[in-house]
Amino acid sequence: QIQLVQSGAEVKNPGASVKVSCKASGYTFTGYYMHWVRQAPGQGLEWMGWINPNNGDSDYIQKFQGRVTMTRDTSTSTVYMRLSRLRSDDTAVYYCARDHVGASTFPDKWGQGTLVSVSS
Amino acid sequence: SYELTQPPSVSVSPGQTARITCSGDGLPKNYAYWYQQKSGQVPVVVIYEDTNRPSGIPERFSGSSSGTMATLTIRGAQVEDEGDYYCYSIDSSGDHRVFGGGTKLTVL
Repeated sequence: QIQLVQSGAEVKNPGASVKVSCKASGYTFTGYYMHWVRQAPGQGLEWMGWINPNNGDSDYIQKFQGRVTMTRDTSTSTVYMRLSRLRSDDTAVYYCARDHVGASTFPDKWGQGTLVSVSS
Repeated sequence: SYELTQPPSVSVSPGQTARITCSGDGLPKNYAYWYQQKSGQVPVVVIYEDTNRPSGIPERFSGSSSGTMATLTIRGAQVEDEGDYYCYSIDSSGDHRVFGGGTKLTVL
């Protein structure tokens, strides 16, 4: 079955960087875009961007340009999301989510989430 | 930046019909999708491409879209339907995606 297993919770100081991993299994890794979505405590979902695991192309919303990098390792079927220059308002659960099978593009299968806490 | 606007909360009694709206200027040309997120759980899509219900989602969930507004309807809402609901669509650039602010559904 399709599984997305994310790395464990992280605690970081302001100004530091964090790298969250998302290991995929149960499907052809290079066949589907991977979305990254975050959710601050008690807040809504925020779409951050996505990566094409087939060629490594990625795109992010303006808010994260210059701070976020999404990469992939096809040998391990893993995608990564690195967020730098962390601030307290980056404290959130970060989700990877595989794109849907079909013509429409929407997050369909979700990882369990990774809590990133930013605090001094 | 492009936004999808939802009411913060909707409350109904069990068995009643709950309607959650999502407004956005891009909705006339782009599909709306709806996610349900129960407390402590990951989001689950309940409606895709305006009106389609994934397998396993109860028939009481339906979606519609007209002009700049999409609507999620839950007919005969049950206590187990309580949670947060988010709409999702394509943003104004056409390259990115966006979630609505979310609506907390209370059934009691």
